[in-house]
Amino acid sequence: DAGVIQSPRHEVTEMGQEVTLRCKPISGHNSLFWYRQTMMRGLELLIYFNNNVPIDDSGMPEDRFSAKMPNASFSTLKIQPSEPRDSAVYFCASSLSRVSGELFFGEGSRLTVL
Amino acid sequence: SQKIEQNSEALNIQEGKTATLTCNYTNYSPAYLQWYRQDPGRGPVFLLLIRENEKEKRKERLKVTFDTTLKQSLFHITASQPADSATYLCALDDGGGSQGNLIFGKGTKLSVKP
Repeated sequence: DAGVIQSPRHEVTEMGQEVTLRCKPISGHNSLFWYRQTMMRGLELLIYFNNNVPIDDSGMPEDRFSAKMPNASFSTLKIQPSEPRDSAVYFCASSLSRVSGELFFGEGSRLTVL
Repeated sequence: SQKIEQNSEALNIQEGKTATLTCNYTNYSPAYLQWYRQDPGRGPVFLLLIRENEKEKRKERLKVTFDTTLKQSLFHITASQPADSATYLCALDDGGGSQGNLIFGKGTKLSVKP
């Protein structure tokens, strides 16, 4: 298996623009997680899905952030409009099970908002 | 909510020595605790999981302990090598039993000098 695939790996955009990050989880994994990593705050959980259904989005910072999982093999994280403070590395991870399962992370999408 | 503290941002040791990293949590004892390794520019990679009823877990040169009285986990790398240099993250569930929200410490950056 190719592992969790994220795109783009790097994104540079200007404030106010829409950003869409994409994730393909490992086939057969039931849970999908979106995390954001910064030096100041470390890895923060934004949202997770179980069987394509959003379970907890309490970590999503603002209404500017939205996430979807239209099917078991694809998820998106959208920021609209983007702001400089959104600059971070965004990781997608998948797991066989929501309960005590190890997470398999993608390589991340580094977002820079100017 | 649960808080995790990895009390060393950085740890420098000599090759061949044992590295010991600490992870403390503040509130209820989680059902399990995980350790991950993260290399620069890469996503975290799962290393070990230890459950609350396990005192110790080993995998090759790695050893993890879990003390629910002290609310602490120790992560040991014996016979350390320069290739062990990376950031190590501990993670545990923040769900009060729901085991859905895996939260991470900020990590300890380990440098092993030859």
